[in-house]
Amino acid sequence: EVQLVESGGGLVQPGGSLRLSCAVSGFTFNSYWMHWVRQAPGKGLLCVSRIDGDGSSLSYADSVKGRFTISRDNAKNTLYLQMNSLRAEDTAVFYCARGVGAWGRYYDGMDVWGQGTTVTVSS
Amino acid sequence: QTVVTQEPSLTVSPGGTVTLTCASSTGAVTSGYYPNWFQQKPGQAPRALIYSTSNKHSWTPARFSGSLLGGKAALTLSAVQPEDEAEYYCLLYYGGAQVFGGGTKLTVL
Repeated sequence: EVQLVESGGGLVQPGGSLRLSCAVSGFTFNSYWMHWVRQAPGKGLLCVSRIDGDGSSLSYADSVKGRFTISRDNAKNTLYLQMNSLRAEDTAVFYCARGVGAWGRYYDGMDVWGQGTTVTVSS
Repeated sequence: QTVVTQEPSLTVSPGGTVTLTCASSTGAVTSGYYPNWFQQKPGQAPRALIYSTSNKHSWTPARFSGSLLGGKAALTLSAVQPEDEAEYYCLLYYGGAQVFGGGTKLTVL
């Protein structure tokens, strides 16, 4: 069974840092694009970042560029999102999602999603 | 700034048919926008339904179908069930960026 399990969320002060993790199982991790998507309270979905199977191609939303870093450890089957200089507007549920199809194109979208981890930025 | 627009809300009767649409501020949506559709119920993670305009995932119920309609991406639900009440989001590709629509709240009443 394909599973994605996020962790690492919590309460952090403005300007602080957090590292989110997404542990995956049930598929060949290094064959898939992986995405981070966030959802602010009561709001819609926003693509935050994506990374290809070997970690060589990265992309970020303008709102997080220079503050967030996506990475992956294929030996540990884990995706990460390092978040620095956090702002109140970063408060959201963060989901990791698998790209569609092994060795697929990132723009094919996402298929399997984790349950999300909540990040709250507040003093 | 690219904006993807969906109907804020729609209501459908059980057993009926409803079409949700997804428009782009840049013009007509084509297959090159690789439209995706997702369903989200309260307190749950999104669930993928459709990718690349009309392709279903293995878990997507047969009553859901994706298409292009009048310059927009469309998601049609046939024989709607009460459990289809949810928020539905589309996702479009813009040559590097992927942008979600604002979502459509579908009420089954």
